[in-house]
Amino acid sequence: DAGVIQSPRHEVTEMGQEVTLRCKPISGHNSLFWYRQTMMRGLELLIYFNNNVPIDDSGMPEDRFSAKMPNASFSTLKIQPSEPRDSAVYFCASSFGRVNYGYTFGSGTRLTVV
Amino acid sequence: QQQVKQSPQSLIVQKGGISIINCAYENTAFDYFPWYQQFPGKGPALLIAIRPDVSEKKEGRFTISFNKSAKQFSLHIMDSQPGDSATYFCAASMKGSGNTPLVFGKGTRLSVIA
Repeated sequence: DAGVIQSPRHEVTEMGQEVTLRCKPISGHNSLFWYRQTMMRGLELLIYFNNNVPIDDSGMPEDRFSAKMPNASFSTLKIQPSEPRDSAVYFCASSFGRVNYGYTFGSGTRLTVV
Repeated sequence: QQQVKQSPQSLIVQKGGISIINCAYENTAFDYFPWYQQFPGKGPALLIAIRPDVSEKKEGRFTISFNKSAKQFSLHIMDSQPGDSATYFCAASMKGSGNTPLVFGKGTRLSVIA
């Protein structure tokens, strides 16, 4: 299995531009999570999906952030318009809904907004 | 509100020594406590996990100690090696299912020196 695949690995964009981050979860996993990691705030949950349905998006910082999961093998996190304070590493993780089963994280997308 | 408090922020240990990282939680509904290990440029990876019905779990050189009454749990790394140098995160979730989001501590950067 290739694991959770995120793209791009690095993204540098100018303030005000739209940014789209992509995630392919592990086949068969039915939960998908988007986290943001910064030095100051650590790992913050932005949104998660169960069976492609958004369950909790209370961690999405502003309306500029949106996420979709059109099918079981693909999810996107979009920021429009982007701001310098959005600079962070964004992780996607997936899991299978069984007791004592952990998440598998992707390698992350390092976003820099200048 | 930080639901899982982790300490210390950073730790330097001699090769062969014991590394100890502590976490405390507030929500008594938490019933699944994993530890994740993260190397630079990579996503966090599940290291070891415990449920509150046991006080200790050991896997190789890694041990979780759990104190339910104190709402605390800790990671012990015996015979620490330079390859253990990484950032470690404790986490907690409810129901013990992969479907519920993990709440992470802020991480401990461990450096094992020869």
